[in-house]
Amino acid sequence: DVKVTQSSRYLVKRTGEKVFLECVQDMDHENMFWYRQDPGLGLRLIYFSYDVKMKEKGDIPEGYSVSREKKERFSLILESASTNQTSMYLCASSFAGGENTIYFGEGSWLTVV
Amino acid sequence: RKEVEQDPGPFNVPEGATVAFNCTYSNSASQSFFWYRQDCRKEPKLLMSVYSSGNEDGRFTAQLNRASQYISLLIRDSKLSDSATYLCVVNDAFSGGYNKLIFGAGTRLAVHP
Repeated sequence: DVKVTQSSRYLVKRTGEKVFLECVQDMDHENMFWYRQDPGLGLRLIYFSYDVKMKEKGDIPEGYSVSREKKERFSLILESASTNQTSMYLCASSFAGGENTIYFGEGSWLTVV
Repeated sequence: RKEVEQDPGPFNVPEGATVAFNCTYSNSASQSFFWYRQDCRKEPKLLMSVYSSGNEDGRFTAQLNRASQYISLLIRDSKLSDSATYLCVVNDAFSGGYNKLIFGAGTRLAVHP
């Protein structure tokens, strides 16, 4: 069965803290993605990666960075968390090619206070 | 104009009703189209792909009108378990060989007894 695992489901962090969100997939997918989802705005792409050590900016990369050292793992980093980064963060993965289904992790709910 | 637009709803319908959701997209070069379902506080999951000829999966029918840049989802004989948010998703191809999924903000459906 397809599995995308986000290690932290619920986090509360203080403004200015460094935050790591980890994502692991077990399907040998080439592509991995980080989205955030906010009410009324839908899912917005932060960063994606189509191969190990490769990354591309999405629509809203400001304030975020990513790391993909291994094919199965894609990390999202908030260098200095701010209150406007309070959101639900969704990791996803897929095989290369536009027709392939994208699979999501269960989401990480981050609150920055 | 948003790249993918949906009526946010909510659509409140009784069990057994037929309900239709519409979605418009702005990029005429979009390549593929999907409907995802998202339950409250859960991750989105693929409901069905949308093909040019239209396609059906049980009680669900999806249609694509490329000329009008319009996608629809019809649910017949609604069940309580159909209550969820339905996301319209468009796949745009970009130079560099990668694809980008663009999500609508979702239409909320509430089916009541």
